[in-house]
Amino acid sequence: DTEVTQTPKHLVMGMTNKKSLKCEQHMGHRAMYWYKQKAKKPPELMFVYSYEKLSINESVPSRFSPECPNSSLLNLHLHALQPEDSALYLCASSQGFQETQYFGPGTRLLVL
Amino acid sequence: SQQGEEDPQALSIQEGENATMNCSYKTSINNLQWYRQNSGRGLVHLILIRSNEREKHSGRLRVTLDTSKKSSSLLITASRAADTASYFCATPRGGTGRRALTFGSGTRLQVQP
Repeated sequence: DTEVTQTPKHLVMGMTNKKSLKCEQHMGHRAMYWYKQKAKKPPELMFVYSYEKLSINESVPSRFSPECPNSSLLNLHLHALQPEDSALYLCASSQGFQETQYFGPGTRLLVL
Repeated sequence: SQQGEEDPQALSIQEGENATMNCSYKTSINNLQWYRQNSGRGLVHLILIRSNEREKHSGRLRVTLDTSKKSSSLLITASRAADTASYFCATPRGGTGRRALTFGSGTRLQVQP
């Protein structure tokens, strides 16, 4: 099974809301990633988890809070977002950090 | 600055034609990868070429890597309408030992039926 799943597919939230994005993989991959992607732009790395520990935080604002409850799950908690945070949020996993990454379908987020 | 830059930014061809996309990068790498993204969807890995390889094939895809010029190209032969997508190259960040990939700016390919 080479699938990475993400929920929800779409999310609309107000600037005062709290919501969470979820990502799951069952490939036994040790690295998991969150990316943010704006239209017609490449994915921008937000966070990297290695063996369930945060390895890289790309100076992401604290209104984004990642969590890795176990080796298969990755969450991204959202609070007090801004309209400019509207984007496609992609989760990915890989066995090694420089090896093939497997992406989920993404969550399309709209902040009003 | 971005590790990978791609050209062209956009490419429109007819079905059956070949499409070539180029990627340039700045630092030494262990490998270079190519990904495809259909509109609004996740990325799909196409091919990985290691620094000691010069050319690699996968079906209708042909990837070349020139480490002396720090560049790579992706050739799609006999294109189909279903190949319409954005294509990104990706390289390890900051060189050979870093824990993430950096994606190039991407080429948007439109294949007209």
